[in-house]
Parts: sequence; structure tokens; C-alpha cells
Amino acid sequence: EVQLVESGGGLVQPGRSLKLSCAASGFTFSNYYMAWVRQAPTKGLEWVASITNSGGSTYYRDSVKGRFTISRDNAKSTLYLQMDSLRSEDTATYYCTRDNNYFDYWGQGVMVTVSS
Amino acid sequence: NIVMTQSPKSMSISVGDRVTMNCKASQNVGNNIAWYQQKPGQSPKLLIYYASNRYTGVPDRFTGGGYGTDFTLTINSVQAEDAAFYYCQRIYNSPPTFGGGTKLELK
Repeated sequence: EVQLVESGGGLVQPGRSLKLSCAASGFTFSNYYMAWVRQAPTKGLEWVASITNSGGSTYYRDSVKGRFTISRDNAKSTLYLQMDSLRSEDTATYYCTRDNNYFDYWGQGVMVTVSS
Repeated sequence: NIVMTQSPKSMSISVGDRVTMNCKASQNVGNNIAWYQQKPGQSPKLLIYYASNRYTGVPDRFTGGGYGTDFTLTINSVQAEDAAFYYCQRIYNSPPTFGGGTKLELK
């Protein structure tokens, strides 16, 4: 059974950093692209970043370029999202997803609140 | 970047009705569209990929259609458990942009 379990969320002050993790199981992690998608409270879904299966290429939405870094450890079957210089508009539930060209598996989500 | 526009923003339907919701891409995306269902407090679930392919385990009352810039998601004989938000997404190329969503409510 495919499982994606996010962790690392919480309350953080503007300008500070936070690192999310996503532990994957039930599939060969190194064979798949992965992505992060977020959802601000009462808002729609917003793609944040994607990474190729090897980790050799990464892609970001414009609003997080230069502040967020997506990475992966295939030996640990874990996906990461390093979030620096956080802003109030980054407040959202962050989902880890398997990118099979379409997003076929999703984690339960982890909440990130950016507030002073 | 390609913009995905969904309509209507919300709809109220009776159990047993047929409902169609729309997704319009600002440029030709071929059949590179997916549809997701999200119920309150839950993660999104994949329903349809490549515009018309029903994902594993999705009931056959869900049907996706369209090509190019105009796409539809139809639910035949809506059930109470279909009350949710529905999102379309441009897939395959970056950025994988989502539409704003359609809220389906049951009367």
C-alpha cells in the first residue's frame, strides 16, 4: 500500500525557516518524480515544487523561487521541502504527492502557519 | 503560464441528478488534464487523468471529456458522498497549474 506521511509543520515567525519531510513507502521511491502542493485556509490547491526521480532537476512556482528548496533522499525514501524567508502568504496545508505526470497519491498534509 | 478556469464556482444538486462542470485552459493543452475530488478535511483524490481516463477504483458515474482548451467532468446520478470540491489540473508539463475549483453541494 502506497503511503506518504508528512511531518515538520508548525507555527513559525515571518522570515524564519522550516523544513518539511515526507516519508514514502509501498512503492519504489527512486522511480518517481515527487511534488509538493499547498492549500491556504479556505482556498484552492496550488502546486509548489517538483523534483525528478534522480533529484537532478527541480521546478518551482514563481512565488517560492529562491526561498524554497525541494530535495530527496532516495536511500531513505524521503522527500523534503526546505522553506526559508517564510511569509504570511505561505500559511497553508502542505501535501506531498507522487508525480506520475498526474498526482496519483497524496499524503494527509501538514499545516504550516507563518505568524508573529 | 497557462491559466485554468473552472465554472461554475459552486452548484447545488439533488441526489440522482446528472451534473457537468467545466474547466477551460488559456492555451491548448491537448488531453493533459486531470480531475481531483477533495472532501472537507481530506486530501485530494485523483479521479480522471489524460482528460478521460478513470483512475483505479473511481466509480463509472464519473466521466471526463474534452480536448484542447475545453474540458468537462460529468457525474451521472450524483450520490450523497459526491459532495466535495472538484479541481482540474494541467498535467504533464510544468507548471502543473490547478483550476480554482467547483464546489458541489447536495440539496
